[in-house]
Amino acid sequence: DQQVKQNSPSLSVQEGRISILNCDYTNSMFDYFLWYKKYPAEGPTFLISISSIKDKNEDGRFTVFLNKSAKHLSLHIVPSQPGDSAVYFCAARGNSGGSNYKLTFGKGTLLTVNP
Amino acid sequence: KAGVTQTPRYLIKTRGQQVTLSCSPISGHRSVSWYQQTPGQGLQFLFEYFSETQRNKGNFPGRFSGRQFSNSRSEMNVSTLELGDSALYLCASSQQGISTDTQYFGPGTRLTVL
Repeated sequence: DQQVKQNSPSLSVQEGRISILNCDYTNSMFDYFLWYKKYPAEGPTFLISISSIKDKNEDGRFTVFLNKSAKHLSLHIVPSQPGDSAVYFCAARGNSGGSNYKLTFGKGTLLTVNP
Repeated sequence: KAGVTQTPRYLIKTRGQQVTLSCSPISGHRSVSWYQQTPGQGLQFLFEYFSETQRNKGNFPGRFSGRQFSNSRSEMNVSTLELGDSALYLCASSQQGISTDTQYFGPGTRLTVL
């Protein structure tokens, strides 16, 4: 059972435009969400996170939005740059107890930003 | 600070063999977690070690094991290799652990089982 889903395996956008990457989750115990970026032959790099007590977190060109009622989060990149081309993983973590506190990852979305 | 390092970067083994992968965390980080990445399953949590003790475990068979040393370096062992074990194995470190801290990943070890 996939608890974190990234339904778009790939996304292609033009340089300068907005990139929107989406993520859905099913486990209501998740209360902390992260986005990681991964280039080929490298490990994932932490990008931005959001706690469930917030609905938005911004860091430079990157903004993450959380809709708890819909169990949905999205990552906005504005403006998109060719160097943003990578695989983006959404991850979720629950509060302590049981197995919810480990990071559960989506399968990733390959973002290609065209010059 | 130096990042998380993993050795070797690439490995080729045959079915039935065993393999040991190594991970050196960021200096000062006491938690080391291991993940398996495959095209079909994405990134899946294997286990976490903290202060030389396995603290959390994912849903993998007992062929997958690990340990952590007093200097926080960690090793992961896979015995009786199967074709399906071919994957990128990622190690991540954090100061206090997966339940509270952001994890920092190494570049991974690409294991191919023939």
